[in-house]
Amino acid sequence: EDQVTQSPEALRLQEGESSSLNCSYTVSGLRGLFWYRQDPGKGPEFLFTLYSAGEEKEKERLKATLTKKESFLHITAPKPEDSATYLCAVQVTDKLIFGTGTRLQVFP
Amino acid sequence: EPEVTQTPSHQVTQMGQEVILRCVPISNHLYFYWYRQILGQKVEFLVSFYNNEISEKSEIFDDQFSVERPDGSNFTLKIRSTKLEDSAMYFCASSGSGTNEKLFFGSGTQLSVL
Repeated sequence: EDQVTQSPEALRLQEGESSSLNCSYTVSGLRGLFWYRQDPGKGPEFLFTLYSAGEEKEKERLKATLTKKESFLHITAPKPEDSATYLCAVQVTDKLIFGTGTRLQVFP
Repeated sequence: EPEVTQTPSHQVTQMGQEVILRCVPISNHLYFYWYRQILGQKVEFLVSFYNNEISEKSEIFDDQFSVERPDGSNFTLKIRSTKLEDSAMYFCASSGSGTNEKLFFGSGTQLSVL
């Protein structure tokens, strides 16, 4: 069965304290791995797509990496505005299978 | 930046009633989706729609659910006879060229079935 697991469930960081979020997956045929950001009461907002092991993408303080079994979202020197739930999703056929997300809180 | 618009933002209905959730996808997009998120749970795929027909649907998307693109701009999700367990946030999404490309999600319709 296709599955996506994210850890930790919740993460509290001091402003400037770098960390990483993990997404591990087991799927029959990975067509793409996606990272989304979700703010309370809002829909997911696209961050990155990764297609093959070894691929990396960066945007501001975020960097996503991909291996054959997992992906990491590295957050460097986070700011309070980075507080959100970060969702990982894998594409299988036409659909995305989401993990439960990591709820990140960054304190000043 | 273009966005996906969903109405209403909140919908309260009685069990057994029909509801229609409305979405206006981004204008030049061709692929349309509905997802839902029960409070505290994962975002779940319901259905994908392309070229005026369903391309894929999940086990959740049973005979009580239907989708329609009645004109060139709207995309709707109908639930014929709502159940308590249909209470969730429903997200519409669209993309220009399939799921391989990023999906743009709307802000959702919070459906509460009493």
